[in-house]
Amino acid sequence: GQNIDQPTEMTATEGAIVQINCTYQTSGFNGLFWYQQHAGEAPTFLSYNVLDGLEEKGRFSSFLSRSKGYSYLLLKELQMKDSASYLCAVMDSNYQLIWGAGTKLIIKP
Amino acid sequence: GAVVSQHPSWVICKSGTSVKIECRSLDFQATTMFWYRQFPKQSLMLMATSNEGSKATYEQGVEKDKFLINHASLTLSTLTVTSAHPEDSSFYICSARSIAGGNQETQYFGPGTRLLVL
Repeated sequence: GQNIDQPTEMTATEGAIVQINCTYQTSGFNGLFWYQQHAGEAPTFLSYNVLDGLEEKGRFSSFLSRSKGYSYLLLKELQMKDSASYLCAVMDSNYQLIWGAGTKLIIKP
Repeated sequence: GAVVSQHPSWVICKSGTSVKIECRSLDFQATTMFWYRQFPKQSLMLMATSNEGSKATYEQGVEKDKFLINHASLTLSTLTVTSAHPEDSSFYICSARSIAGGNQETQYFGPGTRLLVL
């Protein structure tokens, strides 16, 4: 079956760095997405990786290793507003999105 | 874990026809389901919030007469795109919020339905 695993919850300190991991097993691969979702709001697109390597976008970076079925989202210089759920989703060979359950990130002062 | 399915996965239709997309929560009950549109590499745009047994709440700018939503049971919501036009071509994603214990804020997302209107 298809499966996406990411930690349920993580806690980090304001100003620090946090890495949210995502491992996947899917039938085919057409890219991996990271979204940020604040409570009561729609998910906001953060990144899309389809090739191996690191994609940097401001304070957020996303890494992909297709051979390992692994990705991570790296958040630097954490701010209180980064407290949210972070969703990992993989697009399979049928261009369907397989979603992780999300990682709730709690930022403490 | 909680599973949300959508049917169909792909739809190709002629301009002017209506298309119905189903969203089902397979192993849990959902009083609230959400319908989103997504354009490539963009954020999900919330179209409407569907509550079981009541009328859907549409976001500003979404035509309720064009995008008909029905949430007849705790496990099924449908989105009907009426008189579809090429500009309605998009990726439609639903999500469901579980009512069974745990975190009431958790949404479970469906795999999406690709609509192409010719």
